[in-house]
Amino acid sequence: SAVISQKPSRDICQRGTSLTIQCQVDSQVTMMFWYRQQPGQSLTLIATANQGSEATYESGFVIDKFPISRPNLTFSTLTVSNMSPEDSSIYLCSVGPGGSDTQYFGPGTRLTVL
Amino acid sequence: RKEVEQDPGPFNVPEGATVAFNCTYSNSASQSFFWYRQDCRKEPKLLMSVYSSGNEDGRFTAQLNRASQYISLLIRDSKLSDSATYLCVVDGPSGTYKYIFGTGTRLKVLA
Repeated sequence: SAVISQKPSRDICQRGTSLTIQCQVDSQVTMMFWYRQQPGQSLTLIATANQGSEATYESGFVIDKFPISRPNLTFSTLTVSNMSPEDSSIYLCSVGPGGSDTQYFGPGTRLTVL
Repeated sequence: RKEVEQDPGPFNVPEGATVAFNCTYSNSASQSFFWYRQDCRKEPKLLMSVYSSGNEDGRFTAQLNRASQYISLLIRDSKLSDSATYLCVVDGPSGTYKYIFGTGTRLKVLA
């Protein structure tokens, strides 16, 4: 399986600011995804990060709020823009597909917005 | 109806017990099914894929019933270290490699 790192691991931010989260993989991967996990909830897919083109967003998520970059096959960033307390969540990147279409997750970024 | 539904629990069981979790999914075209385990404040980790014929990995057995759109996970001889949230995961639209997650079932194994 791939080794995935995320930076920062956690942050506390002020309302109205933006935070960029980085996801680095130790090998080239076809698919990279960004998820959100709100407190006590399961994971919700934000978008699929496509290498060399714009990300594909899920219903309820827009590029202005969550711009994503994917400059190569091992790296992606997610920015949470103009943050509000409702954005407090864990943000996880994942990569795939592995064998039998499996995905592997990064350790997550725990964001608190005051 | 939610796309993937699980009983949230918590399931509190003694060490050594056998416990079963169930999951239903709404899309009859789904092809790939998984159980992930998530420890508190950690990322989800793949526990096992679920195959049509059912599959076993040590103390863990997964079953798929396509007719009823139902997946199960059986844990035998529960250990304290099995305490976690178990996430039922189903693939999204064909070719997208997206995952759809259930809300998870919490398991606590008691000494």
